[in-house]
Amino acid sequence: ILNVEQSPQSLHVQEGDSTNFTCSFPSSNFYALHWYRWETAKSPEALFVMTLNGDEKKKGRISATLNTKEGYSYLYIKGSQPEDSATYLCAFFGYDKVIFGPGTSLSVIP
Amino acid sequence: SQTIHQWPATLVQPVGSPLSLECTVEGTSNPNLYWYRQAAGRGLQLLFYSVGIGQISSEVPQNLSASRPQDRQFILSSKKLLLSDSGFYLCAWSVMGPGQPQHFGDGTRLSIL
Repeated sequence: ILNVEQSPQSLHVQEGDSTNFTCSFPSSNFYALHWYRWETAKSPEALFVMTLNGDEKKKGRISATLNTKEGYSYLYIKGSQPEDSATYLCAFFGYDKVIFGPGTSLSVIP
Repeated sequence: SQTIHQWPATLVQPVGSPLSLECTVEGTSNPNLYWYRQAAGRGLQLLFYSVGIGQISSEVPQNLSASRPQDRQFILSSKKLLLSDSGFYLCAWSVMGPGQPQHFGDGTRLSIL
């Protein structure tokens, strides 16, 4: 595939629930996979950059995994809080291409 | 610390008019610079990127052009805007290399009438 897909498109969870999203990307010509958080009225903020197959990264309650052989990455949020509400973007960085996914919109209900 | 400035924040232009959006970065040297567009209901699409002064790579054929007259200045232009140029434009910078995170400006909302 020469496309980046994210699922689900949107998600509503209760405060305290844990959740995860999926990013599917081309499995060839891979250099890096980026995750960004984009809050309303703000600019996208980098969460993780992963380059190696099997990478796992963690920042507070948020973590991500990477499988470059099958072309997917998971983003996990443990114990969701209202401030986690945002659109989460993944981006495939190949040696000659940058492709952003359409994003997963997360709403955390207090 | 590094900062990125992008302006204007919003712009309403008639079809056929010219365009100039400017982006500047402070606090770093020789950054990679990027212009993205988000059309309604779609993801971010890379329009142009630059690895140095005067070096511009275009990702998609379009009605727009980009220039980098100075190390930390990136300009997005058009001679004649089309309706399809409407969208949200984001400038970003990164340290050299795709393995580095990108840092985005606040964006410009462009509406073509």
